[in-house]
Amino acid sequence: QSALTQPRSVSGSLGQSVTISCSGTSTDVGGNNYVSWYQQHPGKVPRLIIHGVDKRPSGVPDRFSGSKSGSTASLTISGLQAEDEADYFCCSYAGRYSFEVFGGGTKLTVL
Amino acid sequence: QVLLQESGPGLVKPSETLSLTCSVSGFSLSSGYFWGWIRQPPGKGLEWIASVYHSGIVYYNPSLKSRVTISVDTSNNQVSLELTSVTAADTAMYYCARTDISTYYFDYWGRGTLVTVSS
Repeated sequence: QSALTQPRSVSGSLGQSVTISCSGTSTDVGGNNYVSWYQQHPGKVPRLIIHGVDKRPSGVPDRFSGSKSGSTASLTISGLQAEDEADYFCCSYAGRYSFEVFGGGTKLTVL
Repeated sequence: QVLLQESGPGLVKPSETLSLTCSVSGFSLSSGYFWGWIRQPPGKGLEWIASVYHSGIVYYNPSLKSRVTISVDTSNNQVSLELTSVTAADTAMYYCARTDISTYYFDYWGRGTLVTVSS
């Protein structure tokens, strides 16, 4: 089971937008619409921010949006705020033999 | 409110078996959802380990399958994990989490329990 591929780090200035990619295969990201994203601040528990590719749970600001094209999913954060500085992990359903697979994580730095 | 609380030994010796328990409150395991374990080595990413349904259906990470057993105790509302033949590479924060059975996302997480493998 190979991890999904994410950039190790991205950065953006306050108020700007950033996009984090998550590349997989036809077995996982490309094979279903069960991609989720998690935000994790240092020393904290991961928090669900996107599920079903582009759905935001209650309480998640609409600055966070998700999309998918082929086997690559993306998380876009618009209007960057200081509190968005965190690690972001994508996750995808990977079929009955692998079930779930995470990306390696992306560290977002807000300049 | 759904609460998950992990418990475990904290320190395990190499080659021994790691046993963890996730106690769930505010939701009956018999009501559905998958319940699973995810780990995170210090400074590294998340790795899904295994998930179980209340009926006993289990899924394992293929890379860990030979060493992992997950089980559910609906009478005590607990989920357990056993990992055999541990090495230093198994040192990690271990999280328990609930998974929606139709959309496969982890919506509730425990606070995690840190397990260190060392002699």
